[in-house]
Amino acid sequence: ETGVTQTPRHLVMGMTNKKSLKCEQHLGHNAMYWYKQSAKKPLELMFVYNFKEQTENNSVPSRFSPECPNSSHLFLHLHTLQPEDSALYLCASSRTLGDTGNTIYFGEGSWLTVV
Amino acid sequence: GQNIDQPTEMTATEGAIVQINCTYQTSGFNGLFWYQQHAGEAPTFLSYNVLDGLEEKGRFSSFLSRSKGYSYLLLKELQMKDSASYLCAVIDSNYQLIWGAGTKLIIKP
Repeated sequence: ETGVTQTPRHLVMGMTNKKSLKCEQHLGHNAMYWYKQSAKKPLELMFVYNFKEQTENNSVPSRFSPECPNSSHLFLHLHTLQPEDSALYLCASSRTLGDTGNTIYFGEGSWLTVV
Repeated sequence: GQNIDQPTEMTATEGAIVQINCTYQTSGFNGLFWYQQHAGEAPTFLSYNVLDGLEEKGRFSSFLSRSKGYSYLLLKELQMKDSASYLCAVIDSNYQLIWGAGTKLIIKP
């Protein structure tokens, strides 16, 4: 138990579907992240929020839409995805941004399969 | 460009010692992390180095040489539960985390 909870753990969706991934952290952190993890590739940072404000969007296609209603919750809305978007999506949080030794805590991840 | 290099896969024997290397070329350096990730689970924090030298934590130790852009994770008295992927990540000058692709460690009896 890392203090970061993601749902659903597994999701299969068609290319025309709309679905959302949810993340909640119970650590009192101010920064939250979405990462994409594909086999044998480095973690890809997608979005960063700090105090509910988006600070990073790493050229992510618009079919991925993040939402951060408060510092404890983060969503990733999915729409018209492609099969190559199939991957493990990891949510993470940290105490803050821009600090050395700023340990990131990850959720268990949501396995997404696009068919 | 920024780059983190780790071996893709390593195999070791239960009870033995293994060293997983990580070399990095980044724009600046503000620390290096090691994470462990079991299959299907979240990456979990193992260690953080910002100064040169060896940090020991039980069976696991992490070493850093900033001048060489090099770190290693040393695992002693290997147990079957140590079978996992080990991720190296560096904080660059913009406080961005740059990740390696991870090293899959296979422990054999």
